[in-house]
Amino acid sequence: AQSVAQPEDQVNVAEGNPLTVKCTYSVSGNPYLFWYVQYPNRGLQFLLKYITGDNLVKGSYGFEAEFNKSQTSFHLKKPSALVSDSALYFCAVRDGTGGFKTIFGAGTRLFVKA
Amino acid sequence: DAGVTQSPTHLIKTRGQQVTLRCSPKSGHDTVSWYQQALGQGPQFIFQYYEEEERQRGNFPDRFSGHQFPNYSSELNVNALLLGDSALYLCASSGRLSEQYFGPGTRLTVT
Repeated sequence: AQSVAQPEDQVNVAEGNPLTVKCTYSVSGNPYLFWYVQYPNRGLQFLLKYITGDNLVKGSYGFEAEFNKSQTSFHLKKPSALVSDSALYFCAVRDGTGGFKTIFGAGTRLFVKA
Repeated sequence: DAGVTQSPTHLIKTRGQQVTLRCSPKSGHDTVSWYQQALGQGPQFIFQYYEEEERQRGNFPDRFSGHQFPNYSSELNVNALLLGDSALYLCASSGRLSEQYFGPGTRLTVT
């Protein structure tokens, strides 16, 4: 069965500092991994994905994520946080070996202080 | 290029009633998935439609049903509404690439 864990309900960081939002996953086949962001009263916006290839993937708004197969992790990172990055972030996984169901984590609220 | 659109934006229903939510996918996308997002939780997969067929289903009862039309738009129907069905219902579309594009959602309140 697929599952996603986001161990932190909230991450607090000062503007200009690097940020990391953690995600670990479990899937029986090849993992397709995603990060989405949700602003208040809005739908989810796609940030980046890992399907295959380089373990470090770059996405929208300066975000990047590192796929670590041995640790089954896919942490979201940004070198320098902005106040406007404050939002709810979701990690998601899909079984790339023939599955179509995407499982989302519970979300991590990122708060960037000016 | 219009993104994913959903209607209505908000809906209030009474227990036991039935509701239909609608979704138009992003241009060029042929696959539609529906999610339920309860307050403070991540989206939960309800089902996915492709070529007018339900391709995969999550752990939701048969009260939740759907349909996809030849123009790829989709409907989500929920019968015999329960208080616990109150949530934000999200539609997402995808094409050849695997990422999904989400609509703004329909906020359903069951009283």
